[in-house]
Amino acid sequence: DVKVTQSSRYLVKRTGEKVFLECVQDMDHENMFWYRQDPGLGLRLIYFSYDVKMKEKGDIPEGYSVSREKKERFSLILESASTNQTSMYLCASSLGGTLSQETQYFGPGTRLLVL
Amino acid sequence: QQQVKQSPQSLIVQKGGIPIINCAYENTAFDYFPWYQQFPGKGPALLIAIRPDVSEKKEGRFTISFNKSAKQFSLHIMDSQPGDSATYFCAASNGYKYIFGTGTRLKVLA
Repeated sequence: DVKVTQSSRYLVKRTGEKVFLECVQDMDHENMFWYRQDPGLGLRLIYFSYDVKMKEKGDIPEGYSVSREKKERFSLILESASTNQTSMYLCASSLGGTLSQETQYFGPGTRLLVL
Repeated sequence: QQQVKQSPQSLIVQKGGIPIINCAYENTAFDYFPWYQQFPGKGPALLIAIRPDVSEKKEGRFTISFNKSAKQFSLHIMDSQPGDSATYFCAASNGYKYIFGTGTRLKVLA
């Protein structure tokens, strides 16, 4: 079974802090994703990585950056957290290669509260 | 054109009922339509998926109906159970990127 783990289930941070969210997958997947989930808005893609050190912006990248130094690990960085970044953050991975019709496997999510 | 519209936002049914969740899309380039199920405190998990070359797909009590000409697809849950209470997301993709619907919170009453 594919396992996607996220480093924290809950985080509370102050406005202006730098925040790191970590995600690890154990199935040698090429693709990794960061989404945020908000009530009534569904899941929105923040960033996508299709290989080590490769990344693409998603639909809502403003205020976020990412890092992928190793294939299994994908980090989401909030350079200066703001209250409007309070949300549930979900990491996902998929096999990659064909880039088509792939299942995405999700981690359990990190609920971030920015005060 | 990249949106996927999902309805209803919430749904309450009695045990044994058949909840139906509907999604509509605009982009005819989408070629994969998965449904994800999410329980509280968990990440979404793939429930069932369909490709546009078929009109219906069944897996257990879950059925996707797909209408290519109307650009609509729907999820039916037969003989629904309290354990099906969850949030359901439809999605559409063309390549790696998914466009998700806004989600439907389903409650099945015992």
